[in-house]
Amino acid sequence: QVQLVESGGGVVQPGRSLRLSCAASGFTFSGYAMHWVRQAPGKGLEWVALILSDGSNKYYADSVKGRFTISRDNSKNTLYLQMNSLRAEDTAVHYCARGSSSGYFYSDYWGLGTLVTVSS
Amino acid sequence: DIQMTQSPSSVSASIGDRVTITCRASQAISNWLAWYQQKPGKAPKLLIYAASSLQSGVPPRFSGSGSGTDFTLTISNLQPEDFASYYCQQVNSFPLTFGGGTKVEIK
Repeated sequence: QVQLVESGGGVVQPGRSLRLSCAASGFTFSGYAMHWVRQAPGKGLEWVALILSDGSNKYYADSVKGRFTISRDNSKNTLYLQMNSLRAEDTAVHYCARGSSSGYFYSDYWGLGTLVTVSS
Repeated sequence: DIQMTQSPSSVSASIGDRVTITCRASQAISNWLAWYQQKPGKAPKLLIYAASSLQSGVPPRFSGSGSGTDFTLTISNLQPEDFASYYCQQVNSFPLTFGGGTKVEIK
C-alpha cells in the first residue's frame, strides 16, 4: 500500500534553515509527481511546491519562492523540502502528497505530516 | 493568483441531511477543481477531481458539479463519518490554491 512518511520537522529560530524529507513506499516513486502542502495551526491548507516525476520542473507558492527548494532522489524514493530564511509564518504541519495518476496536480495520497515551528 | 472562496465557513447538519458547499474562483478555471476532506489531526483525503469525478473508494453520496467559476460539493444522506472540514482547490494554474475550508458540524 502507498505510504508517505515525513521527517525533519522541529523547532528552529527565525532566519535559520531546515530540510524536510518524505520517504515513499508502495508505489513506483519515480513515476509520480510530488507535492508539499502545509497547514498552520488551526488554519486551512496551503499548497507549497510541486516537482514532476523526473525532477525536470518545479513550481512554488509565492510565499516560499526563493526561500524553499523542492527536490527528489528517485534512487532513494525520497522527496525533500529545503527551507531557508525561515519566518514565524512558516510554522505549520508540512505534508508530502503524491500527484494523482488522474492528473499530477491533484494529490491522492498524503503523509501524516511533520510539524515545523519557527520561534526564537 | 487565483483566489478560491468557499461558503459557508461552517454548517450544522444532522445525520441523513443533504449538505451543499460552494466554491467560487476569482477567474474561470474550466473544471480544474478538486475537493478534499480533512478530519481533525488527520491528513486530507481526495474526494473529487476534475470538478465532478469521484476518486476511487469514495462513497457515491459525495458528488461535485460546476465549471468556470462556480462549483458545488454535495453530500447526500450525511453520515457520522462525514463530519469534517472540506476544502476546494484549483489546479488550473500555478500557484495552486485552496479555498478557506468549510467545517461540517453535528447539529
